[in-house]
Amino acid sequence: DAGVIQSPRHEVTEMGQEVTLRCKPISGHDYLFWYRQTMMRGLELLIYFNNNVPIDDSGMPEDRFSAKMPNASFSTLKIQPSEPRDSAVYFCASSPGTSPSEQFFGPGTRLTVL
Amino acid sequence: GQSLEQPSEVTAVEGAIVQINCTYQTSGFYGLSWYQQHDGGAPTFLSYNALDGLEETGRFSSFLSRSDSYGYLLLQELQMKDSASYFCAVSNDYKLSFGAGTTVTVRA
Repeated sequence: DAGVIQSPRHEVTEMGQEVTLRCKPISGHDYLFWYRQTMMRGLELLIYFNNNVPIDDSGMPEDRFSAKMPNASFSTLKIQPSEPRDSAVYFCASSPGTSPSEQFFGPGTRLTVL
Repeated sequence: GQSLEQPSEVTAVEGAIVQINCTYQTSGFYGLSWYQQHDGGAPTFLSYNALDGLEETGRFSSFLSRSDSYGYLLLQELQMKDSASYFCAVSNDYKLSFGAGTTVTVRA
């Protein structure tokens, strides 16, 4: 299996622009998670899906952030408009339903907002 | 909410043993997980304890005491490749809340 795939790996954009991060989970995994990692705040859960349905979005910082999972093999995290404080590494992770605490992380997208 | 405490840094020599402690306060607790993250890489799963006691996986072991809200990760026979950050995480159903991480530096 190729593991969790994320794109792009690096994104540099200007404040006010829309940013879309993409994720392909491991085939057969029922759960998909979006995390953000910064030096100041550490690794934070933003939102997670079960069978393509958003279950908990309490970690989404504000309305500028939105996430979708139109099918079992694809999810997006969108930031519109982006701000410099959104600069971080964004990880997508997936997990089989049988082992929820064993999450498989993608390589991450390093986002820089100028 | 959740709060976790773990040391920020640990340094040891090759071949040594390192113990990383993690104390937590949480509303709703299913278990304690440990993840490893190399610099510039993604977190990778190491272990999970749902019940009290010691779980051993090769050179790494993890312990949990639910009554004390405490766990630890034990790294034995340290190798240079073990230099990384180690995170404890409490699970509440399918949600993981991570600690700030412990940076382990292994010296020759």
